[in-house]
Amino acid sequence: QQQVKQSPQSLIVQKGGISIINCAYENTAFDYFPWYQQFPGKGPALLIAIRPDVSEKKEGRFTISFNKSAKQFSLHIMDSQPGDSATYFCAPGDSGYSTLTFGKGTMLLVSP
Amino acid sequence: NAGVMQNPRHLVRRRGQEARLRCSPMKGHSHVYWYRQLPEEGLKFMVYLQKENIIDESGMPKERFSAEFPKEGPSILRIQQVVRGDSAAYFCASSLETSGGYEQYFGPGTRLTVT
Repeated sequence: QQQVKQSPQSLIVQKGGISIINCAYENTAFDYFPWYQQFPGKGPALLIAIRPDVSEKKEGRFTISFNKSAKQFSLHIMDSQPGDSATYFCAPGDSGYSTLTFGKGTMLLVSP
Repeated sequence: NAGVMQNPRHLVRRRGQEARLRCSPMKGHSHVYWYRQLPEEGLKFMVYLQKENIIDESGMPKERFSAEFPKEGPSILRIQQVVRGDSAAYFCASSLETSGGYEQYFGPGTRLTVT
């Protein structure tokens, strides 16, 4: 049973374009919704996170949109840059268990 | 302000040997988590520890794997009698006690290769 479904698996965006990655979850107990960025050979780095009491959070070029009724949240990267090329993971968490459930990842390539 | 540290970064073991992976959490962090990442996959939770206590080991294989986080020193993930299927990247994360497991910060990982 796959609790977290991430899409697309891979994405190619031109420099300056908008990258959009989606995450759908099943567990209604999730109450923390982060996105992690991982470069090859490195550990995941926390990029941005949202709690269910807000529907959107923006930090610089990165925005999380959260739809509680649809059990989905998404990452938007505005003005995408080649340096954004990485694998992105959604990893919702449940405060009752204090652990994160990772999606399978989205490989983003931003072409110059 | 050092982040989460893991060593070794790369570890090669022959089948049947033991692997010991170490993790030093960020300064001030008292919660440690271990995850395993297979190629082309997301991270899978293995175990959650606080100082001297295992809080949740629901993701840990029942045999050959163990973890500890002693009062002094790093957290250690131990894999006995390794098999080829244990080859993966193992990541440690840490969080503040007050964050309740949120805002986990990851180390660079240990890449284990079993030959």
